[in-house]
Amino acid sequence: EAGVVQSPRYKIIEKKQPVAFWCNPISGHNTLYWYRQNLGQGPELLIRYENEEAVDDSQLPKDRFSAERLKGVDSTLKIQPAELGDSAVYLCASSLSVVSGTIKAFFGQGTRLTVV
Amino acid sequence: DAKTTQPPSMDCAEGRAANLPCNHSTISGNEYVYWYRQIHSQGPQYIIHGLKNNETNEMASLIITEDRKSSTLILPHATLRDTAVYYCIVRKLQGGSEKLVFGKGTKLTVNP
Repeated sequence: EAGVVQSPRYKIIEKKQPVAFWCNPISGHNTLYWYRQNLGQGPELLIRYENEEAVDDSQLPKDRFSAERLKGVDSTLKIQPAELGDSAVYLCASSLSVVSGTIKAFFGQGTRLTVV
Repeated sequence: DAKTTQPPSMDCAEGRAANLPCNHSTISGNEYVYWYRQIHSQGPQYIIHGLKNNETNEMASLIITEDRKSSTLILPHATLRDTAVYYCIVRKLQGGSEKLVFGKGTKLTVNP
């Protein structure tokens, strides 16, 4: 079975340009997460979806970041406009709904964004 | 969620057991201990989790002290491919923040 698929793997853009990341979670996983990981740090949650509903977006910088999960499957994360400080690895993860108990989240390989 | 403390780095010889400690002295009764690892240029990978009892799976063993204030992840026969950053995370089974909060983890280097 395929794991969490993210694209692109790498992206280099100039500051003030828009960028979008795409995530296809594991089939049947209701919960989807977007994390950001800065160099030398652990991942930090940006947003969590339960099906198509964003249930925790408290850490998402809403002035420039947006996310959507249409039909409760694939998700996109967008930054517009990008700033130099947005350079990081953006990780998508999915799991069965947390109401089922423990979280066993599966992560994609991430998208490494470089803003120049 | 309870905070965790891990050493920033550890070394281990190939073929030997790697014992990674984690302190979670403020853990409460309904909080689980999770371990994930992140190999270079990959996303984090689930290893194991536990509540009170020791746990073992094909990847590792998790030893939780009786007072649950600390735990140890054991890789019984470390290989070069076990070189990674290991994260210890504590979260509630229900309620609380339904997310995994990562710290900086322990960078384990397995040497030949």
